[in-house]
Amino acid sequence: GESVGLHLPTLSVQEGDNSIINCAYSNSASDYFIWYKQESGKGPQFIIDIRSNMDKRQGQRVTVLLNKTVKHLSLQIAATQPGDSAVYFCAERRGNNRLAFGKGNQVVVIP
Amino acid sequence: ETGVTQSPTHLIKTRGQQVTLRCSSQSGHNTVSWYQQALGQGPQFIFQYYREEENGRGNFPPRFSGLQFPNYSSELNVNALELDDSALYLCASSPGTRQETQYFGPGTRLLVL
Repeated sequence: GESVGLHLPTLSVQEGDNSIINCAYSNSASDYFIWYKQESGKGPQFIIDIRSNMDKRQGQRVTVLLNKTVKHLSLQIAATQPGDSAVYFCAERRGNNRLAFGKGNQVVVIP
Repeated sequence: ETGVTQSPTHLIKTRGQQVTLRCSSQSGHNTVSWYQQALGQGPQFIFQYYREEENGRGNFPPRFSGLQFPNYSSELNVNALELDDSALYLCASSPGTRQETQYFGPGTRLLVL
């Protein structure tokens, strides 16, 4: 089968702390991964992507790590802010250019 | 640069009816993908259109159909609506079909009674 999943349903984090969201994928042939953020009532918003020939990629306050050996993806958010409260999805691109999403992980930032 | 827009924002239908949802892609994007997102779930791929042709389809029945127009805008049509079709329908556009990031619109919330 194929699946993209997240380990933790909800992550509560103190404002200013770092957040780490994990994701496991099962398709070893996947070569492109994306993290999306979805706020209530809105569509998914692109955060950062990474190709399979990379192990790490950094953006503004976010870092994505890819471990192909164990088929694991993580998103690190530095200095978490109240505006980071949302559901975070990892997605992998499949052969016919579709995105396969996991169920999502709710991040709640505590002021 | 205009982002992805969708209409309507909300819609209520009854079982057996038909619905058409609309999407305008981001400027310069020729590829549109449609997703269904049930409450509490991740989006599920329905199909993709590239230059007015269907370019890949997910595990959805034929009563889900689509169109793409010369200006790259797109429609999603669902016939014979069922209660389980209640969901957020998302449209995403990208500048091509090969490993290009997809940018999502705000979605259309469909409720089937």
